[in-house]
Order: sequence, then structure tokens, then C-alpha cells
Amino acid sequence: ETGVTQTPRHLVMGMTNKKSLKCEQHLGHNAMYWYKQSAKKPLELMFVYSLEERVENNSVPSRFSPECPNSSHLFLHLHTLQPEDSALYLCASSQDDRGLETQYFGPGTRLLVL
Amino acid sequence: QKEVEQNSGPLSVPEGAIASLNCTYSDRGSQSFFWYRQYSGKSPELIMSIYSNGDKEDGRFTAQLNKASQYVSLLIRDSQPSDSATYLCAVNSGGGADGLTFGKGTHLIIQP
Repeated sequence: ETGVTQTPRHLVMGMTNKKSLKCEQHLGHNAMYWYKQSAKKPLELMFVYSLEERVENNSVPSRFSPECPNSSHLFLHLHTLQPEDSALYLCASSQDDRGLETQYFGPGTRLLVL
Repeated sequence: QKEVEQNSGPLSVPEGAIASLNCTYSDRGSQSFFWYRQYSGKSPELIMSIYSNGDKEDGRFTAQLNKASQYVSLLIRDSQPSDSATYLCAVNSGGGADGLTFGKGTHLIIQP
């Protein structure tokens, strides 16, 4: 596999479920990101990890819990979500944490909360 | 609050013509600028990056940056139907690990 991969590609869950989204980057990058893309809204940054440490949390509700066990893997743990959390969740990675490098996106997980 | 503004469109351009996409940003300290293309149901893919004032050309694509006016644009020459997509302008202020601030995107339609 090359680039940035995400699983699952599609997910339907109830409001009481717990699920996790997985992201893996094969680019040797040191920074990883979670974004949310909702209809009619711009991409919203959720979390930033640099060298496995969380460096930014953009006021995301606690029902979203990120985890970065190493520089190649990033998870987003979901619990007690709301229907308005239905969106495309995108993972991205970049070479380093200077903030100037190109970010490369995975294919995304399309999430539907019922 | 950092903001990136784009005309949502749709912008309709005849095949073979030049498509011009525009973007303005609010953070005067922004240092890096990106254009991403996103097809419906797909993730964004990088088209161009630009860091200094002036023009940067790559094939049929030219990015233009004017930091004094806080303006960045993307020109697509010899537009093809396959260029029909949403084009996202993204800005990064740098200075440490940071995500990108995205505009809502411009929906471009190339008419055969």
C-alpha cells in the first residue's frame, strides 16, 4: 500500500455505538491530522499530531477521541455520536510539523449516524 | 478567526477555455497556499502549492499569489471535461504543527 489509507470506507452506526476509524500513512511523515467534511461546509480541522503527540485540538466534542500510537497510525474513537456528526472524515499526513508542508489526504470514511 | 473565502459557483467554462478560480484569505501572516481538487465522493488531491508572490506554472495549471492583496488564484488552461470538480483553496499560517484552513470550494463545470 502507498500513500494514506483509511478504514473503514463507509460506516453506519447508532447513537449508542462505539466505533473506531483507522488511518495509516506509508509516506514516512511525522505529522498526522483528522478533518471533518460536512455538506455545504468547508473542511474542518479536528486534531493534529506531531511525532505522536497531540499538538492541536480544535474544540472538538469529547465524544471524538483521537489516538496516535506511532507516527504511522492514527485512530479516531467514536462514542455516543449525534446525527449531526454524519460526515466524511478525512485523515491527512505531512512531512513535518513546521506547518508549511503539503498535506496528503486519505480516501476518507463516510460516516452515517442514525 | 482565520478565514478563506471562495465563490462557491458553479463556474461554467467551455472546453478549451481558461478557467479562473479565486480565493482570498484573512490571516496576513499566512505563509503557504495550496489548491486541492476534489471529485464528488472522493478526497482532496493536491494540484498546486505556492509560497512566494508571483506565478507558478505546472503544465496546464498556474497558481498566482499576491500577499499584499491576500489573494491567491488558480488558472486552468485548455480546460477539459475531466477538470470538472470542486477546487479547494487552503492556507497554512505555519509556525508549528498546524492544519490547513480551507475555503468552501468552487464547483467548476467544463462544458464539452
